Amino acid sequence: GDSVTQMEGPVTLSEEAFLTINCTYTATGYPSLFWYVQYPGEGLQLLLKATKADDKGSNKGFEATYRKETTSFHLEKGSVQVSDSAVYFCALNRKNNNDMRFGAGTRLTVKP
Amino acid sequence: EPEVTQTPSHQVTQMGQEVILRCVPISNHLYFYWYRQILGQKVEFLVSFYNNEISEKSEIFDDQFSVERPDGSNFTLKIRSTKLEDSAMYFCASSSQMGETQYFGPGTRLLVL
Repeated sequence: GDSVTQMEGPVTLSEEAFLTINCTYTATGYPSLFWYVQYPGEGLQLLLKATKADDKGSNKGFEATYRKETTSFHLEKGSVQVSDSAVYFCALNRKNNNDMRFGAGTRLTVKP
Repeated sequence: EPEVTQTPSHQVTQMGQEVILRCVPISNHLYFYWYRQILGQKVEFLVSFYNNEISEKSEIFDDQFSVERPDGSNFTLKIRSTKLEDSAMYFCASSSQMGETQYFGPGTRLLVL
């Protein structure tokens, strides 16, 4: 069945470092892809999304490009801040389906 | 900006008791969902709801679970007789159409003792 695999954490970076969190997926058809972020003590917030191949989603300095050839949707940010410390979830949703499939989550800690 | 809200934020209950978790989806959304996240594990789909009936459910969503839209705004998840393994964070979500972006609430943390 459809699934998402993302890089295991935790990831610890210094402020202003470059971030990559890898995400690959398995799905029939062409799903929409998402990154959600969960800040400490809070719920899931949509960070960015892409709905078709080669689309780039971006928000708050984060970017991810939908790569059909490698079935990937890696999350990147050029310069992380302490406030980016959170758990990041990669997820997919097929257009004719209701259940989102989530990766296991990657905990990011950014140190000053 | 419209958002999904959930109450309560935390609930502690005894094993065997019934609990009702409440959600208010975004007002013009038509599809509603419940997910759960056991501590340290993946977010898992439980059920989706459209047009006043369940449209999909996972294996987790057994006879102990039920969902209801009792009025025009609330969407509830009932667990009839809670078990220790029901302890988790429960997220409600809504979307405008099937397959579109799902917007999540802040979650209800349920602890079954």
